[in-house]
Amino acid sequence: EIVLTQSPGTLSLSPGERATLSCTASQSVRSSFLAWYQQKPGQAPRLLIFGASSRAAGIPDRFSGSGSGTDFTLTISGLQPEDFAVYFCQQYGSSPLTFGGGTKVEIK
Amino acid sequence: QVQLVQSGPEVKKPGASVKVSCKASGYTFKTYGFSWVRQAPGQGLEWMGWISGYNGNTKYAQKFQGRVTMTTDTSTSTAYMEVRSLRFDDTAVYYCTRVISVLGVITGPFDYWGQGTLVTVPS
Repeated sequence: EIVLTQSPGTLSLSPGERATLSCTASQSVRSSFLAWYQQKPGQAPRLLIFGASSRAAGIPDRFSGSGSGTDFTLTISGLQPEDFAVYFCQQYGSSPLTFGGGTKVEIK
Repeated sequence: QVQLVQSGPEVKKPGASVKVSCKASGYTFKTYGFSWVRQAPGQGLEWMGWISGYNGNTKYAQKFQGRVTMTTDTSTSTAYMEVRSLRFDDTAVYYCTRVISVLGVITGPFDYWGQGTLVTVPS
């Protein structure tokens, strides 16, 4: 099983700042099958990034993903008020599919 | 537009079973599969398994093998997930998600999610 470790656990930033979230896999993720999701309280997660760096439909270009192998990053350039939420990474290249523990981006 | 609409909240006694439904619309049902994911209160996301919308083939996470059954009804474009022998720690929100698969292998992310179904198993 691939274990995904997200850091930091919580990120305290002000609107307009840049957020950098990390996701490290215990072994290489096949074909960069790595996704990022955003979840707000009381809502289902929403797909942001797939294939490590491709934005899902309707996702603003301030969200970008990068990385390969075992190290992946989600960057939010210029935080908007609606971006304060919890972010999860997920690998879908190997069974069982696994998620990271999440990073909470909170208002400083 | 693609929609996954799940059944309502459930409260079940320990040892009972629960069956959650997920009605799909806005796309051709058989061209995608479903994965089920659960989230315990205040916790992260846990993948439970996958079912093909094309032929009903399934793959379960080892943790749920033997206690969870996923099915589909193509006539109503609905997916189902049943959990048996419920325990207190099965209390969670259960989500259905849409996923692409090729020859039984998941090859895409979870691009659409249902609204979630809260299943509560009181201690």
